[in-house]
Amino acid sequence: NAGVTQTPKFQVLKTGQSMTLQCAQDMNHNSMYWYRQDPGMGLRLIYYSASEGTTDKGEVPNGYNVSRLNKREFSLRLESAAPSQTSVYFCASSLMALTGELFFGEGSRLTVL
Amino acid sequence: EDKVVQSPLSLVVHEGDTVTLNCSYEVTNFRSLLWYKQEKKAPTFLFMLTSSGIEKKSGRLSSILDKKELFSILNITATQTGDSAIYLCAVEVGNEKLTFGTGTRLTIIP
Repeated sequence: NAGVTQTPKFQVLKTGQSMTLQCAQDMNHNSMYWYRQDPGMGLRLIYYSASEGTTDKGEVPNGYNVSRLNKREFSLRLESAAPSQTSVYFCASSLMALTGELFFGEGSRLTVL
Repeated sequence: EDKVVQSPLSLVVHEGDTVTLNCSYEVTNFRSLLWYKQEKKAPTFLFMLTSSGIEKKSGRLSSILDKKELFSILNITATQTGDSAIYLCAVEVGNEKLTFGTGTRLTIIP
C-alpha cells in the first residue's frame, strides 16, 4: 500500500545545479500537487495538476517547472537551484482537484549551498 | 489575499491535559476547512469541516467550525505522548486553492 512516493528523500545541491523531484501515486487520483514547507511559513503550493494533461501555478511557482507525465506521476524540476529553494518538498494527491483530503508523500529535504 | 492564522504557535502540556487549538481565516469563496496532523514526515488528514456548528469527532479529537466568526477549533482530550505533532489547518477556496496556516506545534510531556 504505497500511496504517494517521492524520490529522493534527501538531496544537497550547489547553487546553479539542476535536479528533478519525482512523485508517483498508486491511488488512481486525478489531482497532484507540489508544496514546500519552510519554518514559520506553513505549506505553500508551488504547482498543481488538477487532472492529467493540465498544470497550474500555485502560490510560489518561480524557479520551478513541473511535468504531469501520466496520471500516476508528477515531477518538479529546479532548473538552476538557489539557496532560497532550500526547503522540505511534499508531493500530494487527491481524488479530485482540491476537494477534501490530500494524501501526502513523506517529503524530500533539499539543501542548496 | 487569503489568510489562515493558527494559534498558539506552540504549546507544551502534560499527559492527560485537554488542549484547544485555534484556526482563524480570512478568505474569499470559502468551501471547507481541513485539519492535518504532521508527526515526523507526511501530514495526515484528521477532519474536513464544511458546515457551521456541526462537530466532527474521532476518538479523543474533535473539531467544530464557526463560519460566522470565521474560525475553527481542534480539541484533544486526555492527551497522550503520541499526540505530540504539528497540527495544520488548511482552508479550501473556490478557485481550487488550499491555503495552509503555519501550524501549532504541540508537545505532550509524560
